[in-house]
Parts: sequence; C-alpha cells; structure tokens
Amino acid sequence: EPEVTQTPSHQVTQMGQEVILRCVPISNHLYFYWYRQILGQKVEFLVSFYNNEISEKSEIFDDQFSVERPDGSNFTLKIRSTKLEDSAMYFCASGRLGSTEAFFGQGTRLTVV
Amino acid sequence: AQSVTQPDIHITVSEGASLELRCNYSYGATPYLFWYVQSPGQGLQLLLKYFSGDTLVQGIKGFEAEFKRSQSSFNLRKPSVHWSDAAEYFCAVGAGGSQGNLIFGKGTKLSVKP
Repeated sequence: EPEVTQTPSHQVTQMGQEVILRCVPISNHLYFYWYRQILGQKVEFLVSFYNNEISEKSEIFDDQFSVERPDGSNFTLKIRSTKLEDSAMYFCASGRLGSTEAFFGQGTRLTVV
Repeated sequence: AQSVTQPDIHITVSEGASLELRCNYSYGATPYLFWYVQSPGQGLQLLLKYFSGDTLVQGIKGFEAEFKRSQSSFNLRKPSVHWSDAAEYFCAVGAGGSQGNLIFGKGTKLSVKP
C-alpha cells in the first residue's frame, strides 16, 4: 500500500542552524502538507502546497520556514535558523485533488539544542 | 473559529471492555470529520472519516463513530478493546467541500489494562 515516507526519523540540530526535513508523498497525490506537534500539544497545521505554490499557511509558518518540491517526488520543509521552540515532531501529509483526507507520514522528530 | 475538543486527556479501560472517546467540534459549515490513531513512535493512521450520508461510520480495526449534528459531536467507539489498541487518538475536522487544512484536537491517550 502506498505511503508517505519521511526522512530522517530524528534530527538533532544546534540553535541557529538550518535544517531540511524531507518527505516523499504518495505518487498520485497533488496536495502536500506539513504539520507539527510540539511534545504534549495538539497537531498543528503549518502549510499546504499545490501546483508548485503555497495554497494556505498558518500564522506559525513565518519567514523562517519555506517549502519546496525540488523534483517530481520530494517535498521539503526548510527551517532557516532554528530556535529551541522549533523542537517538535513534524509530519508530512499528502492528499488527492478534491479530497480533504490527508495521508500522514511517520514524522521527523526535530530536537533543537 | 473552528476548533476540536477532546475532553479526556487519558482513559484507561480493561481489555475486552467497551470504549467511547469523545470529540466535540465547532465549525460553521458542513464539517468533514476524522479520527486518527498514533501508536508510540508511529505516524498518524486514519481510522475513519465522515463526509456525508449515514451518520454511523465504520472504520478499521473494529472502530466506529457517530456524527451527531445536534450535539456537535463525533464520538469514537469500539465494543471490545484489545491490548494493541493502546495508543493516542486524535479527532480532526476539515473544511467540507474544499481542500484545506485539518484542525486537530489535543488527543486522548488510551491505556489498556490486562
């Protein structure tokens, strides 16, 4: 069964460093999402991406964040200068056109030290 | 504003007992409703979803949920819990009829006693 895959599963980075979280969405999906879950808190929407541009973003998704689909298969989230409060589980998800249903990856746990 | 409330942070049930996890939502239009499960170290797996039609929906692993518009609720049920059901359960609401983001509740952690 097709699934969303994320790499790495765990990343540790120093405050101020740039990180790139990678995702391979399900191949025939056209919508891509990033969510994050700070430890002990709810899963929060960050951004959705369609047709090579951001279709919606939350107020969390400020200028330090960016997304990119560099080729036909990968979808990345870049955090330019990490802060301690960026430590969280980051989930990638993808969906079909016309469907609100999202299929989630296993997440990347980002720890900023 | 759209929101999802899961009033129970942690529930413990005995194996074989029935389960009901509560979810209330606040959404002005027709909601799309979801239940996801997250096992330790795993991602979010979709259990079931409600878009329209029959208000009682069946999902995977023997779970079901009932949409009650009058109560703005979408409670998750299972008649007999198995030890492998121990996990965290998230209710989510999406914008009906459009491609949009999901709003999640804070989750309910389920523990199962032998």
